[in-house]
Amino acid sequence: NAGVTQTPKFRILKIGQSMTLQCAQDMNHNYMYWYRQDPGMGLKLIYYSVGAGITDKGEVPNGYNVSRSTTEDFPLRLELAAPSQTSVYFCASSSDGGSTDTQYFGPGTRLTVL
Amino acid sequence: AQTVTQSQPEMSVQEAETVTLSCTYDTSENNYYLFWYKQPPSRQMILVIRQEAYKQQNATENRFSVNFQKAAKSFSLKISDSQLGDTAMYFCAFIRYSGGGADGLTFGKGTHLIIQP
Repeated sequence: NAGVTQTPKFRILKIGQSMTLQCAQDMNHNYMYWYRQDPGMGLKLIYYSVGAGITDKGEVPNGYNVSRSTTEDFPLRLELAAPSQTSVYFCASSSDGGSTDTQYFGPGTRLTVL
Repeated sequence: AQTVTQSQPEMSVQEAETVTLSCTYDTSENNYYLFWYKQPPSRQMILVIRQEAYKQQNATENRFSVNFQKAAKSFSLKISDSQLGDTAMYFCAFIRYSGGGADGLTFGKGTHLIIQP
């Protein structure tokens, strides 16, 4: 099992550009999450999904969009990149989000917006 | 809303010593879970230990153990016989239990732990 994979590992964007951060998991987990980690801070929840076709906002959703068309994939879309979106982005998954709640994280994507 | 506070931005101990990292949280929920995650320089988030709030017994995982004080809303991590590989950022995290699923982890700002040779 590869676990949770994220691509790309690094990316530099110009202000106003768009991009999609890819996340995939091969553990057949229903729950998937996107977090961002700013320098010197803990992770903050952007969006999450409890299953294919169902997504919901987290603490910091502005400037992002998500979709969940399959169990395996949960891409995060930045439409108009801004310097405030410079961060490290982590995708995570868990089997049911309820009784277990252990989240497994991908390796992260470091995004810089200039 | 939940908050998680880690009051020690950085700690440094000698190899083989025991170190305790502090974490307090604030919630009105009664059913929740607490975690400690380790983040080494590689950036990978690695689960160290978890604690269910309904369990009175403190969780242990090899050299790692917690002191969970529910009434005080305190959740400290003790690392025994510390090793150089324990050098990392450590994050305390909280998640509330909801029958329809969870709404994500709430993290503290982290403690940078340095193990000196």
